This record gives sequence, structure tokens and C-alpha cells, in this order.
Amino acid sequence: GQNIDQPTEMTATEGAIVQINCTYQTSGFNGLFWYQQHAGEAPTFLSYNVLDGLEEKGRFSSFLSRSKGYSYLLLKELQMKDSASYLCAAMDSNYQLIWGAGTKLIIKP
Amino acid sequence: IAGITQAPTSQILAAGRRMTLRCTQDMRHNAMYWYRQDLGLGLRLIHYSNTAGTTGKGEVPDGYSVSRANTDDFPLTLASAVPSQTSVYFCASSDSGGRADTQYFGPGTRLTVL
Repeated sequence: GQNIDQPTEMTATEGAIVQINCTYQTSGFNGLFWYQQHAGEAPTFLSYNVLDGLEEKGRFSSFLSRSKGYSYLLLKELQMKDSASYLCAAMDSNYQLIWGAGTKLIIKP
Repeated sequence: IAGITQAPTSQILAAGRRMTLRCTQDMRHNAMYWYRQDLGLGLRLIHYSNTAGTTGKGEVPDGYSVSRANTDDFPLTLASAVPSQTSVYFCASSDSGGRADTQYFGPGTRLTVL
């Protein structure tokens, strides 16, 4: 079957760095997406990886290892506004997204 | 309109009633999707449409129907609502359904079925 695993909740301190891990199993693979979702709002796109390695975009970076079925989202210089849920989603062979349940990130001052 | 709009924002519905959730996008995207989001679960695909005039079933299609008469609109209908359909419903769109395009989401509809 198809499955995405990510931690339910993480806590970090303002100004620090946090890494949110995601493992996936899908029928075929056409890339890994990360979305941010603030409470009561829609998911918004953060990053897309299809090749192995690290993609950096400002304070956010995303890493992919296809052989290990593993990705992580790295958030640097954490700000209070980064408190949100982070959704990992893998795209299968039919170009449909399989979603994890999300990681709720709590930022403390 | 900018992006994707959904209506209503929220709704309380009696079980057995028929309900249509509306979704409109102005990005001229070919593909559109309906998801439901429940606490502790990932987004689950209900139905999708890769282009106007075509639709397909997702992971949880039972009890729901869709139509895609034109590019912009993708309504979701619950023919006879049941309490298990209480959820937050998100509509999304992407440039194409047949490649790895980013999906963009509407603000959601919070539906409660009593």
C-alpha cells in the first residue's frame, strides 16, 4: 500500500533550527512536496523535490533520498509565524498526491 | 477573483439532505481536485478532473459526485449527507493533471452533518 509517515508534533525555540522528517512508500514516484498549513487555513506550497539532494529556498530547505524513501524539511532562524502544520506529500505514478497527516510545529519564545 | 474560491465557508447540514460545495478558479488550470481533511489523517482525494469534461475517482469517492462542465468550476455534491461526511473540504487546482505540477488550494469549506 501507499503510506506517508511524519511526526505528529514537534516543539522548537524561536531563532533555532528544526528538521521535520518524512518517509514514504508509493506506487511509483514523481516527486515529494512540502506544504505549510496554518490553523484554519488552506495548505500553501513550500517545496518540491524529485532528484536526490538538498534544495534551499531562503530559510527553508528540503532534502530527498529516493533510495531511502526519505525527505526532510529544514527550517532555520525560526520565527513565531512558522508555527503551523507541515504536510509531506508524495506523488505516485498516476500523478496523484499521497499525503501525510502533517507535523504540527510549535514555536516557543 | 484571484486564485481559488470556495462556497460556502461553513455549513451545518441535517443528515439526509443534499448539498453542493462550490469551487471556482481563475488561473485557467486544467486540473482540479476535491480533498477532505480530518483530524489525524492526511488529506484524502475524493474526486479529480484532469480537464474540462472528464472526472475521476480518488481514494474516498463514495457518497460524493462531481461535474466539470467548464474549466473554471468544479462543484462537489453530497447526494444524501451522513455524519461521517463531517469534515473540512478543500478544492485545489494545478496546471495539468498528468505531470508533477504544484497544486494550489482554496480556503476550504467546513461542513458539519448532524
